[in-house]
Amino acid sequence: GQNIDQPTEMTATEGAIVQINCTYQTSGFNGLFWYQQHAGEAPTFLSYNVLDGLEEKGRFSSFLSRSKGYSYLLLKELQMKDSASYLCAVNDDKIIFGKGTRLHILP
Amino acid sequence: ETGVTQTPRHLVMGMTNKKSLKCEQHLGHNAMYWYKQSAKKPLELMFVYSLEERVENNSVPSRFSPECPNSSHLFLHLHTLQPEDSALYLCASSQEGSVRELFFGEGSRLTVL
Repeated sequence: GQNIDQPTEMTATEGAIVQINCTYQTSGFNGLFWYQQHAGEAPTFLSYNVLDGLEEKGRFSSFLSRSKGYSYLLLKELQMKDSASYLCAVNDDKIIFGKGTRLHILP
Repeated sequence: ETGVTQTPRHLVMGMTNKKSLKCEQHLGHNAMYWYKQSAKKPLELMFVYSLEERVENNSVPSRFSPECPNSSHLFLHLHTLQPEDSALYLCASSQEGSVRELFFGEGSRLTVL
């Protein structure tokens, strides 16, 4: 079956670093997305990984290991505005989402 | 502003009502989607339209009826809904291709009484 797992909630401190993990088991794989969703708003695109390795984009980086069915999103120099849900999604001809990780940032 | 607009943003309806959700995209994309987002559940894909043809229907009850009159507009017609259908309904669009990044609207929050 199709399964995407990520932690339900995480808490981190402003200025710190946090890593949000995602593991997946899907019948096919074309790539993996990370989306950010603030409460009451639309999900917005953060990253897309197709090949193994780390992709860095400013304060956010995303890592993929296809052999392990594993990805993580790394957020550096956390800011209060980073408080949001982070959605992991696999492109398996259709886009399959995990339940999302709600990240709380403490001052 | 993501280029995808949904109306209404909030809707309250009784189980015997008929209503419609509307989505419009200004991005020139050729695929549109309806997703359902319930508390503590992953985003659930409901319908996919590619080049105005329905290509995905994810075992959605017939009380939800999609319509895609052209590549910029997508509707979700609702009738005789149940309270468990209360959720956030998200519309998205993409350009078919290898990446297929989704651009979401802000959603229509539906409450069924």
